[in-house]
Amino acid sequence: NAGVMQNPRHLVRRRGQEARLRCSPMKGHSHVYWYRQLPEEGLKFMVYLQKENIIDESGMPKERFSAEFPKEGPSILRIQQVVRGDSAAYFCASSTEVANEKLFFGSGTQLSVL
Amino acid sequence: AQTVTQSQPEMSVQEAETVTLSCTYDTSESDYYLFWYKQPPSRQMILVIRQEAYKQQNATENRFSVNFQKAAKSFSLKISDSQLGDAAMYFCAFSGANSKLTFGKGITLSVRP
Repeated sequence: NAGVMQNPRHLVRRRGQEARLRCSPMKGHSHVYWYRQLPEEGLKFMVYLQKENIIDESGMPKERFSAEFPKEGPSILRIQQVVRGDSAAYFCASSTEVANEKLFFGSGTQLSVL
Repeated sequence: AQTVTQSQPEMSVQEAETVTLSCTYDTSESDYYLFWYKQPPSRQMILVIRQEAYKQQNATENRFSVNFQKAAKSFSLKISDSQLGDAAMYFCAFSGANSKLTFGKGITLSVRP
């Protein structure tokens, strides 16, 4: 049973470009969470999704950021018109039920904006 | 809103010795979960131990145990018989009714051979 898969592991973008981060949850998991980790900081919640639904996006910046978790395929975190401040590690986690169960994290995508 | 505080930015321990990492939190909820995660240089977030707030008994996982003081809102992690592979960032985290994890800033643990 493969773990949570995130790709790419590293992503380099120039300012103004778009970044697409992918997350395939563990088999059988229908809850996906995205977190962002800035250097020397803990992870900060961004968005919580279930299949085809955004449950909680209270941690997501209002502009340029969007997330989806379609019926088929991976969850996508999309950042439009990236800026240097978007440089961070972005982690995806999945679970079978609400997060009070054990969350399984992916290895993260390191986004670097030049 | 919940907050998680890890006031020590780094600690060092001699191999085979015991070390305790501190964490305090603040919440108005009565039912919640607390976690310690390990993040090695590979960046993978690894769950070390989990404590349910309604359980008075402290959680234990092999060499890892917690000292959970609910009234004091304190949740420290004790690592016994420290090994070189324990060197990593350690994050304390809280999860309440809204199912989101709130993390502390982390502590860097180094293990001296």
